Amino acid sequence: KAGVTQTPRYLIKTRGQQVTLSCSPISGHRSVSWYQQTPGQGLQFLFEYFSETQRNKGNFPGRFSGRQFSNSRSEMNVSTLELGDSALYLCASSGQPGAYGYTFGSGTRLTVV
Amino acid sequence: GNSVTQMEGPVTLSEEAFLTINCTYTATGYPSLFWYVQYPGEGLQLLLKATKADDKGSNKGFEATYRKETTSFHLEKGSVQVSDSAVYFCALSDGSGGGADGLTFGKGTHLIIQP
Repeated sequence: KAGVTQTPRYLIKTRGQQVTLSCSPISGHRSVSWYQQTPGQGLQFLFEYFSETQRNKGNFPGRFSGRQFSNSRSEMNVSTLELGDSALYLCASSGQPGAYGYTFGSGTRLTVV
Repeated sequence: GNSVTQMEGPVTLSEEAFLTINCTYTATGYPSLFWYVQYPGEGLQLLLKATKADDKGSNKGFEATYRKETTSFHLEKGSVQVSDSAVYFCALSDGSGGGADGLTFGKGTHLIIQP
């Protein structure tokens, strides 16, 4: 079956702009979570959605937001981009949140210039 | 809060050598534990997992045992190959199912296997 699909793979934006990233989970998976990966901070949890509801959120400013649609696809949005937002953004899906492990997509590489 | 500590490396070994990557954790509940692997330019792949104390996860020759008494989940492989070169992440998930912090990751260990 198809894996987790993230689009686009690469993105270059200018400081101050906003960006929307998309994630399509594995068919049947209802949990989608997002992570930011940077060389300095490593992998950091952004938020998790389950059945269109945000279950929890990591320690990121309000410029980072997300949503999940009825087909479980998820988007995350970053407004007023800063240079420090340059990172690999990873999406992961699971049948249920928590103990069962997550399948990750290949990520979206965002560069803010 | 939850945390995961692992050696960052790089760890350089010769082909067929024995591998150990140490991982210890701090958690308030009863977490599930995972090892993920990341190859260059790719996302994370689940390597193995263990959901309760004394469970042993295994896959592709890699093993790790959930040790609650030492709060550890060390990754081992008896004979590494060049194709094992990658970054390895130890992670935990809040075992209560609340998933309060999603997955908590260690900093990652860069493994380099030389022919």
